[in-house]
Order: sequence, then structure tokens, then C-alpha cells
Amino acid sequence: GESVGLHLPTLSVQEGDNSIINCAYSNSASDYFIWYKQESGKGPQFIIDIRSNMDKRQGQRVTVLLNKTVKHLSLQIAATQPGDSAVYFCAENIGTGNQFYFGTGTSLTVIP
Amino acid sequence: GAGVSQSPSNKVTEKGKDVELRCDPISGHTALYWYRQSLGQGLEFLIYFQGNSAPDKSGLPSDRFSAERTGGSVSTLTIQRTQQEDSAVYLCASSLVSSVEQFFGPGTRLTVL
Repeated sequence: GESVGLHLPTLSVQEGDNSIINCAYSNSASDYFIWYKQESGKGPQFIIDIRSNMDKRQGQRVTVLLNKTVKHLSLQIAATQPGDSAVYFCAENIGTGNQFYFGTGTSLTVIP
Repeated sequence: GAGVSQSPSNKVTEKGKDVELRCDPISGHTALYWYRQSLGQGLEFLIYFQGNSAPDKSGLPSDRFSAERTGGSVSTLTIQRTQQEDSAVYLCASSLVSSVEQFFGPGTRLTVL
């Protein structure tokens, strides 16, 4: 079956530092990945996506890196702010329609 | 503009009762998804609707779970004879057919006593 997992269930960083959240996937056929942010009491919110034909994509303060060789992707948040505190999920799509498989999430806490 | 809305926001029910959860997707979004999120867990795919196509029900955990989408808009997730293990947050998301970006609602927190 599919497997999307995260290396670290919790992460604490000082405000202003950079954060790196990791995600491993097992299906080499996965061709599309999305990072979501979920704040307490809310539904997940799209952050950034990347296709399997890319190895890096940058957004505003966020960068996603994809290493297909080891089936690993990461989300980097620059100058982490208190508002970044949330649970972050990676999700993979293996191309069969729009069904995505979500990991268990990493809880990021930003220390002021 | 209006996002995805879900109702009720919270539902407490007794074991064995049936419940209905409602999702109003973003207008114009033809794709609609239901997920279940247990405490401290990731999202578990339940069912996917796309336009008039037959829904993808591959994620429904048992025959006690069913969902409908009337008129290509509002969707209802029904859980019959609820069990305590059904307690979770049920999330609905919608998207344009041309996009994989899903917009999520706030969820319905279901508690089965």
C-alpha cells in the first residue's frame, strides 16, 4: 500500500530561525506532492506543490526540495514566525485521479 | 469569496445512532473529497466525487459509511450505527477539475459516546 511518513512528529524552533520539515514516501510512481499547513481547529491549507520532474520549488519564505533517488521531500521555512506554528502535512499523488495520500504530520512550534 | 463550509461544526451522538454531515463546496468546484482525521493522525481518504462520474468510494472503511452529492454541489456523508471508533474530525475539500489544489472546510468534529 501507499506510505507517506514524516521523520519528526514534533519540531520546535526559535522565532527567526529556519525550519526544515521532512517527509518520506514509498511509491516511486508518485508524480505530484503538496505541502499543507493545518492550524488548530481549521482545515488544511495549501502551501506549495512540486511535480516529480522538479527537484526544487520556491514560494514566499518556503522552499520544497524533492529527492526522488531516496524518495524524500522537505519543506523549508525561512525566518520562522509565530504564525507558522501548525501541523504540516505532505501529500502524494500517484497520478490515479486526484486522490492524495497524506502523511501523519509534523507539529511545528515557534518559540518567541 | 466563500470557502468550503461544513455543518455541524461539532456533533455528539450515542453509539448506534446515525449521523449526517454536510459539505458545501466552493461554487464551481466540480471535485469534492471527504477525509477523516483521527486525533494526532493524518488525513484518511474516504470518498471522491468528480462531476457526474461514479464516485471513488475506495476509502470508505465499512458499509456503514455512505455519501451523496446532489446536483453536483452539496454533499452529505452518512454514518449509520455509529461506533466509538468513528469519533474523528471529518473534513471536506473541493477543487476545480483542472487543479489538484484542494480547498478544505473547517471540518466536523464527531464524538460517539
